[in-house]
Amino acid sequence: DAKTTQPPSMDCAEGRAANLPCNHSTISGNEYVYWYRQIHSQGPQYIIHGLKNNETNEMASLIITEDRKSSTLILPHATLRDTAVYYCIVRVVRVVTTDSWGKLQFGAGTQVVVTP
Amino acid sequence: NAGVTQTPKFQVLKTGQSMTLQCAQDMNHEYMSWYRQDPGMGLRLIHYSVGAGITDQGEVPNGYNVSRSTTEDFPLRLLSAAPSQTSVYFCASTPPGTDSYEQYFGPGTRLTVT
Repeated sequence: DAKTTQPPSMDCAEGRAANLPCNHSTISGNEYVYWYRQIHSQGPQYIIHGLKNNETNEMASLIITEDRKSSTLILPHATLRDTAVYYCIVRVVRVVTTDSWGKLQFGAGTQVVVTP
Repeated sequence: NAGVTQTPKFQVLKTGQSMTLQCAQDMNHEYMSWYRQDPGMGLRLIHYSVGAGITDQGEVPNGYNVSRSTTEDFPLRLLSAAPSQTSVYFCASTPPGTDSYEQYFGPGTRLTVT
């Protein structure tokens, strides 16, 4: 699986958009980009994923560059409750075999602090 | 739905003791996984299961056993606890019929081994 690079930390003002970058220059054509977050002392929470098109859901937007070597997670109106560690992960499309499952690898992520 | 539940929330063990961390989900998810998270680090996969009766090792399986006798339950057993197993343990599940790795995580079990 392709490795990802994220900044270790970033600050964001409450009410403003938070743009979280992720580099995945070795990504393969059949690998998705996933974003999870982990609020302190809680289990990780799935946010969004995409293959090559931009995606939007009720939590966030995901912008993937045309060459797919980087992506940006956008939290449109950050709140204090968005303070968390955000993980960018790339993983091949799931194939239903025991050999391919279970290797969703979390890196160190980006610590996002939303301030009033 | 209760989602993914884990018990206990906190546990203190002495070196050499054994115990079982419980994980259950009521969403009829096929795939379940166990991760550990050490302070300041990301999650590391311990064991996973693609369905009842099928389990496999992840990145750090040594010292842990799992079984999957039902779709709902996926217990993690520590055979002989060691201080290096002090960590937060998360269980996760994934719904069937999708082509992605969207995972739902439990609240975690905080384990201290003295």
